[in-house]
Amino acid sequence: EAGVTQFPSHSVIEKGQTVTLRCDPISGHDNLYWYRRVMGKEIKFLLHFVKESKQDESGMPNNRFLAERTGGTYSTLKVQPAELEDSGVYFCASSQTGRERGEQFFGPGTRLTVL
Amino acid sequence: GDSVTQMEGPVTLSEEAFLTINCTYTATGYPSLFWYVQYPGEGLQLLLKATKADDKGSNKGFEATYRKETTSFHLEKGSVQVSDSAVYFCALRATGRRALTFGSGTRLQVQP
Repeated sequence: EAGVTQFPSHSVIEKGQTVTLRCDPISGHDNLYWYRRVMGKEIKFLLHFVKESKQDESGMPNNRFLAERTGGTYSTLKVQPAELEDSGVYFCASSQTGRERGEQFFGPGTRLTVL
Repeated sequence: GDSVTQMEGPVTLSEEAFLTINCTYTATGYPSLFWYVQYPGEGLQLLLKATKADDKGSNKGFEATYRKETTSFHLEKGSVQVSDSAVYFCALRATGRRALTFGSGTRLQVQP
């Protein structure tokens, strides 16, 4: 069974540009999460989808970040315009509903560098 | 709000040494507690978990006990190997929430 995949693995952009990160969850997982780790600090929750609906977006830092999950499959996280403080590693995770209290399986992350 | 504090790294040990990585938490209610591990170039993997007080999670020789009286979930291993070199994250999931709250991670380097 394929795990959670993320694309790209690395992205280097200039301040003010737009970047779109993609996450493909494990097939059949209704729950999809975005997290990020900035400057080697703690990993922070951004938002949670159940299928195509945003269940919890309390961690989204500001309106420069837009997450979508069309059709309840893959998800994208767009940062527009990017700022220096957005640099970090963005992780995606997915989980099933109603099984083992929803263990989350993580992707390898996308390392974003904003210059 | 909820928070997790873990010891700063890096932690450097020789092979077969004893490992302890401290983790304490702040949360209301009865959170579930986790240790995740990130090997180089890979995503986070669940290492072990405990869902109620006094539970002991264990996996691959690692153990951690949910201590509600001290709000701690320290990770231990009796004899580390070079292959255990990785970043270890302590995390909690608060009652009624799906999101995980993580600590800042502890890098472990095991030397042969």
